[in-house]
Amino acid sequence: DTAVSQTPKYLVTQMGNDKSIKCEQNLGHDTMYWYKQDSKKFLKIMFSYNNKELIINETVPNRFSPKSPDKAHLNLHINSLELGDSAVYFCASSQRGVTGELFFGEGSRLTVL
Amino acid sequence: DQQVKQNSPSLSVQEGRISILNCDYTNSMFDYFLWYKKYPAEGPTFLISISSIKDKNEDGRFTVFLNKSAKHLSLHIVPSQPGDSAVYFCAAGPYGQNFVFGPGTRLSVLP
Repeated sequence: DTAVSQTPKYLVTQMGNDKSIKCEQNLGHDTMYWYKQDSKKFLKIMFSYNNKELIINETVPNRFSPKSPDKAHLNLHINSLELGDSAVYFCASSQRGVTGELFFGEGSRLTVL
Repeated sequence: DQQVKQNSPSLSVQEGRISILNCDYTNSMFDYFLWYKKYPAEGPTFLISISSIKDKNEDGRFTVFLNKSAKHLSLHIVPSQPGDSAVYFCAAGPYGQNFVFGPGTRLSVLP
C-alpha cells in the first residue's frame, strides 16, 4: 500500500497549456508539500499546507496553485505552462510536532515542449 | 544562496569499505538534520536524522555526525553494500519547520 502516491508519473505537454498533478497520502499526516527538483537536481520546496495554513515559497510563480480538497490530498495546478517548468515534482507529507520526517511520493516528471 | 551544500557530487567506494558523505550548512537557526536516500525513478526515502542537542546518531550501518561549531554533518555507512548505491540528500531546518535540501551526492558502491 503506497503511503504517498502521485499521478501522473509522466506528463508531456505543450507550452501554454494548463495541467494538474494529484497527490494523496494515507499516513494520516497533517501537513503536505510540493517540492520541485530542477535540472540541477536541487529539491526546492514550493508549498506546504497544514489544514488551513498555506505557506508559499515566494519564488514560486502564481501560475502554480495548490488545492487541497481534504487533509489527505494536495493537488498542484499549473497554468500557462512554460519551458522552465519542466522538472520532477515531488509530493510529500509529514506529521508536524513529531520528528517531522518527510515521506515522499515517487515523483511526476513534467516535460513542457 | 545555498543554505545546504554537498560539495561532492559523486563518490565511489569499494564494497565493504566505509562511505563518508559530507554536508555543510550556513544557517545557524537550523537545529534538525536529516539524510535521505534516493533511487532512480523513486522519491527520496528517509534514512536517519539528528537534532542539534546530539553530536552522533547511529542506526545499524548508518551513523550521522554533527559538528555544530563547523556547521558540518557527515553520514558514515559501514560496511558499504552495492544496494547502498543511490543519491543521498542532506536536509536541514529549524525543528518543525520546512527543510532545505542539499543538491545530493551520488554514491556508487563497487562490488
